[in-house]
Amino acid sequence: EAQVTQNPRYLITVTGKKLTVTCSQNMNHEYMSWYRQDPGLGLRQIYYSMNVEVTDKGDVPEGYKVSRKEKRNFPLILESPSPNQTSLYFCASSSLRQGSLLYNEQFFGPGTRLTVL
Amino acid sequence: AQKITQTQPGMFVQEKEAVTLDCTYDTSDQSYGLFWYKQPSSGEMIFLIYQGSYDEQNATEGRYSLNFQKARKSANLVISASQLGDSAMYFCAMRDLFSFGNEKLTFGTGTRLTIIP
Repeated sequence: EAQVTQNPRYLITVTGKKLTVTCSQNMNHEYMSWYRQDPGLGLRQIYYSMNVEVTDKGDVPEGYKVSRKEKRNFPLILESPSPNQTSLYFCASSSLRQGSLLYNEQFFGPGTRLTVL
Repeated sequence: AQKITQTQPGMFVQEKEAVTLDCTYDTSDQSYGLFWYKQPSSGEMIFLIYQGSYDEQNATEGRYSLNFQKARKSANLVISASQLGDSAMYFCAMRDLFSFGNEKLTFGTGTRLTIIP
């Protein structure tokens, strides 16, 4: 089954304690991305990756790090979490359109609900 | 820069009635895609329907249709014959089709739809 998996699904932690949210896809997608969802703000992009070892900032990258050492995995790292990073996080993946204007579906993971106390 | 506006924070609709969820957008891009996602209380993001700016016909997927009015920059979602299972948060989103590399979706703030039996 084609899917994007995230772990953990739920996490409660304390300020300053480093954590990693893992994301893995089994569709051989080049593109992966992280979003955070906050009430009244919708989903906003944190980081994205076009392929292995190629990552770039999205709209709200402060306080986050990512890495793309393997094509299937795109972990989100919070080196020193703060309460304002309490949010619902989504990983997404898709193929790259390679210059095409045609639609390609972006697959979302199930979400990780993070609470930072 | 792209912007999505969803002006209805919440809606209540009687079961079996049709419902229209509003979405307006702002972009200077020549070609773009418009999406609707459903987020039930379990949290996952479910893709519903897509409309390309170059499509002359409105997109339909089962009970979902997208009322695309390019001159008005609106992309309203119409759900026919609503069901209790339609109760969820609905997000409108868009993507620039000429921006190859970052497949970023820009989301609105969402509309919470509640179907009343």
